[in-house]
Amino acid sequence: GQNIDQPTEMTATEGAIVQINCTYQTSGFNGLFWYQQHAGEAPTFLSYNVLDGLEEKGRFSSFLSRSKGYSYLLLKELQMKDSASYLCAVIRGGGATNKLIFGTGTLLAVQP
Amino acid sequence: NAGVTQTPKFQVLKTGQSMTLQCAQDMNHEYMSWYRQDPGMGLRLIHYSVGAGITDQGEVPNGYNVSRSTTEDFPLRLLSAAPSQTSVYFCASSAQGDGANVLTFGAGSRLTVL
Repeated sequence: GQNIDQPTEMTATEGAIVQINCTYQTSGFNGLFWYQQHAGEAPTFLSYNVLDGLEEKGRFSSFLSRSKGYSYLLLKELQMKDSASYLCAVIRGGGATNKLIFGTGTLLAVQP
Repeated sequence: NAGVTQTPKFQVLKTGQSMTLQCAQDMNHEYMSWYRQDPGMGLRLIHYSVGAGITDQGEVPNGYNVSRSTTEDFPLRLLSAAPSQTSVYFCASSAQGDGANVLTFGAGSRLTVL
């Protein structure tokens, strides 16, 4: 089975830094994605981690610890346009095909 | 490049009616999938396909059928709509089905079943 936990909502201030955590329990872990989804729109890719450590991409960074079943997404220099849902998704292996299983998402509100 | 195209964007059905949500991609992706998104539930995998002629069930397949006769198209059929199928449906594709490929999502189809 699998269980992915993220906070439901977070609030942060423009220009600040925010960290969105994701913990997971899954059999056959094969990697983890973060997607961004603005209200009424499709999810779009942010980051992918398969090895332990930090992946940095501009203002966004993602960290993975496989032994702890833990990831976080770090957003720096927050902008109003970063207000969105952030979806943690785990690649669950085993069987004929790997499957991508999503958490319920964290709704981030950036305030002036 | 159009990417992943879903139609219709909005649909209202009565209980018991049938319909097909269309999905087409022009990226020559092998892997295609359908998700539904409900408040507080996140995205849940309905059905997926790793190539033409091959389909398999995801987490919540009941009440839905799919087929993959071509690489480009992956329609989702609701045989007898129920209010529990009211949701936003997303089609997504990736180059391969190993899970490590980035998914490209369609814009979504909002379905209401009365």
